[in-house]
Amino acid sequence: EQLVESGGGLVQPGRSLRLSCTASMLDFADYAISWVRQAPGKGLEWVGFIRGRNFGRTSEYAASLKGRISISRDDSQSVAYLQMNALEIEDTGVYFCARWLRLGGGFDMWGQGTMVAVSS
Amino acid sequence: SYVLTQPPSVSVSPGMTAMITCAGDNIDSKGVHWYQQKPGQAPLLVIYDESDRPSGIPERFSGSKSRNTAALTISRVEAGDEADYYCQVWHRKGDPWVFGGGTKLNVL
Repeated sequence: EQLVESGGGLVQPGRSLRLSCTASMLDFADYAISWVRQAPGKGLEWVGFIRGRNFGRTSEYAASLKGRISISRDDSQSVAYLQMNALEIEDTGVYFCARWLRLGGGFDMWGQGTMVAVSS
Repeated sequence: SYVLTQPPSVSVSPGMTAMITCAGDNIDSKGVHWYQQKPGQAPLLVIYDESDRPSGIPERFSGSKSRNTAALTISRVEAGDEADYYCQVWHRKGDPWVFGGGTKLNVL
């Protein structure tokens, strides 16, 4: 079982980027998928999540990013996406996806992360 | 928004006990999770729901909490425990998932 992020890279300010989180696991559709980012040398910052099928696949976003990001999923392909628009230099960092099944269980599996560098 | 406060660093000698705290208003009413992150790696869940350990995490790792403070305790500290540690809670108002600022554990 694993999560693998992809889609990172160097992007200019103001552009858009879509990150993917591809899962190899049973019952992917049951899990909520969160995105967490980490700026260079800084701590973990929650970005947003999408709930699993039993909870309507609805999404929640960090207030500081609301309006610039959206999270979606394709359970048939076991993939979750993070769409980021109007990228800013401050969005630079490693983006991790992680799964959780219930509030009391924590994020029990993480991907290795994908680096996003926003620079002109 | 809900804030979790951790000390920037904690230092401990090998074989001793390290305690990393996480302060938050009425944190005892919330489920607290702890993550270990080594340089260049993804975070690893070491404690969930205050005091439960995932499979594969040594018994040396334990968690506790009081009214406004949660704590991660690492007994018989080893050099391999040197890492950054983050606490996390679910908060229904504002950003639902909140991380503490992280604590660097130095094993001297």
